[in-house]
Amino acid sequence: DAGITQSPRYKITETGRQVTLMCHQTWSHSYMFWYRQDLGHGLRLIYYSAAADITDKGEVPDGYVVSRSKTENFPLTLESATRSQTSVYFCASLNIRQVTYEQYFGPGTRLTVT
Amino acid sequence: SQKIEQNSEALNIQEGKTATLTCNYTNYSPAYLQWYRQDPGRGPVFLLLIRENEKEKRKERLKVTFDTTLKQSLFHITASQPADSATYLCAPGETGNNRKLIWGLGTSLAVNP
Repeated sequence: DAGITQSPRYKITETGRQVTLMCHQTWSHSYMFWYRQDLGHGLRLIYYSAAADITDKGEVPDGYVVSRSKTENFPLTLESATRSQTSVYFCASLNIRQVTYEQYFGPGTRLTVT
Repeated sequence: SQKIEQNSEALNIQEGKTATLTCNYTNYSPAYLQWYRQDPGRGPVFLLLIRENEKEKRKERLKVTFDTTLKQSLFHITASQPADSATYLCAPGETGNNRKLIWGLGTSLAVNP
């Protein structure tokens, strides 16, 4: 399917476990982003990537790891999940040539850490 | 610190009326500002971008203004419809900042038939 997809859509895990959230886009957009969205905080940037093998921290990177070996994939790993990481996670991509700078969002992953 | 504020309370309006949503920012000089729509359980969807040198931008029933002196953007939906019910997010951005955006909390709009 064309577009941006995330998997899994829902995940329940236990404190201390490692969890990887997947993000895949079919457009070859150079930029990709990971956000978390919580009530009262809105969207907060965790990590972003300007191109394959280039990643940088956002506003709330602690406890998360990213990689981007291929342009189309941008997985987010929670190394040791904590309850405070219970959230909805959105992946987004951006085509740097598009003058509107619009970000295209995936459907989100709802993660619950028990 | 940089701060984005949107109407904190939900907005309820009657179908056919104009909805006006506010986005104020402080400690920030964005080169542009984007508006997104988010439906429950879905990711945000881009609606409009307005640049700092543009006073107003229109797209169908949508109109956005950008006042860099007041540090404010207004988002209008004219002839509103129940299908316009959603949460609307504003996100100012800086062209030199790796396209990173700072997001408002959003305003929930309900259009009643």
